[in-house]
Amino acid sequence: GQQVMQIPQYQHVQEGEDFTTYCNSSTTLSNIQWYKQRPGGHPVFLIQLVKSGEVKKQKRLTFQFGEAKKNSSLHITATQTTDVGTYFCAGQTNAGKSTFGDGTTLTVKP
Amino acid sequence: NAGVTQTPKFRILKIGQSMTLQCTQDMNHNYMYWYRQDPGMGLKLIYYSVGAGITDKGEVPNGYNVSRSTTEDFPLRLELAAPSQTSVYFCASRPGTGNTEAFFGQGTRLTVV
Repeated sequence: GQQVMQIPQYQHVQEGEDFTTYCNSSTTLSNIQWYKQRPGGHPVFLIQLVKSGEVKKQKRLTFQFGEAKKNSSLHITATQTTDVGTYFCAGQTNAGKSTFGDGTTLTVKP
Repeated sequence: NAGVTQTPKFRILKIGQSMTLQCTQDMNHNYMYWYRQDPGMGLKLIYYSVGAGITDKGEVPNGYNVSRSTTEDFPLRLELAAPSQTSVYFCASRPGTGNTEAFFGQGTRLTVV
């Protein structure tokens, strides 16, 4: 079945440092979505990427979708304490099935 | 607009008991999902539905059952609860395939002792 792998599992950074998480799918995706989950909370949608090679930005966050539509990355520039949480990618197939990666948990030291 | 509502928020079950986790959405979404999240782990898809009367298995369906008699409701049934089913359960919905985000409920924290 479809597998979505995400690395690293954990990332500890000093406030102001950059952060990147990577997502790889075993199959070609129709789209990929990114979510953020604060401790004790539920996943909240950040963005969706659909096109091959697509790059989208949200303030300090940059999202990329690979040319083969099998990998993606999320990069945060100059992290802040408000960025703490777990970031998940979710790969969706044309059949409507959505598979989440195991997430990258970010901690930020002030 | 309530979005996705899950009940109960917390529950403790004894081994062998059964229960139903309720999920209701008021956004007229066709697609609904059940995930479980073990401590420090990602979300594993249990079951999903692309519309009323249609359900399909996800990655970890064993020990669970679902039904989708209406667009709004997607209950998850646990029969013969086991300690391995201790987890946080999230229900989610989206309008359909394509360029659509998933909306999550607040989760149900289940402990089986």
